[in-house]
Amino acid sequence: KAGVTQTPRYLIKTRGQQVTLSCSPISGHRSVSWYQQTPGQGLQFLFEYFSETQRNKGNFPGRFSGRQFSNSRSEMNVSTLELGDSALYLCASSLQGVGYEQYFGPGTRLTVT
Amino acid sequence: QKEVEQDPGPLSVPEGAIVSLNCTYSNSAFQYFMWYRQYSRKGPELLMYTYSSGNKEDGRFTAQVDKSSKYISLFIRDSQPSDSATYLCAMTSGSGGSYIPTFGRGTSLIVHP
Repeated sequence: KAGVTQTPRYLIKTRGQQVTLSCSPISGHRSVSWYQQTPGQGLQFLFEYFSETQRNKGNFPGRFSGRQFSNSRSEMNVSTLELGDSALYLCASSLQGVGYEQYFGPGTRLTVT
Repeated sequence: QKEVEQDPGPLSVPEGAIVSLNCTYSNSAFQYFMWYRQYSRKGPELLMYTYSSGNKEDGRFTAQVDKSSKYISLFIRDSQPSDSATYLCAMTSGSGGSYIPTFGRGTSLIVHP
């Protein structure tokens, strides 16, 4: 069974721009969660989508948004990029959700200059 | 005080040693406990998932949860150089589909031949 895939793997953007990241979950998984990982803050939960609905949300500003499609693929969008948004963005998929076993993708490394 | 405390290390051990990795937490609402292994420039890989106090064993790995002391551990027996990675503990609170996962900052483990 194929694992979680994320595209692109690396991205360089300029402050003020917006960016969209994509995640394809493991086949059959309806839950996709997004995380931000930085050296300073560690791994932090952004939000979870389950069957196209946002079910859980972490403590991030509204510039961070997401959506999920009927095939469970998910996208995350960050608008008005700030230097502090430079991070590894990880998505994870699960059969049941964030309270259960999750499987992470390789991440997208975003650099904001 | 952070909700989840984890010593960042690095923890350096000789090959074959028994490794003990630990996390403490302050939120008694945490119900589900996970350990992930993360190699450099990769996404976290789920090692252990448990929701009850006590021990859970899987191969060379044993996860231990003590809810009364708010303390979880991961033991690695017969450690190998390939175990060198960062180990993240994670915990989730919530119910009815509403969950917020919280991660420790990770412990860097180095197993030298």
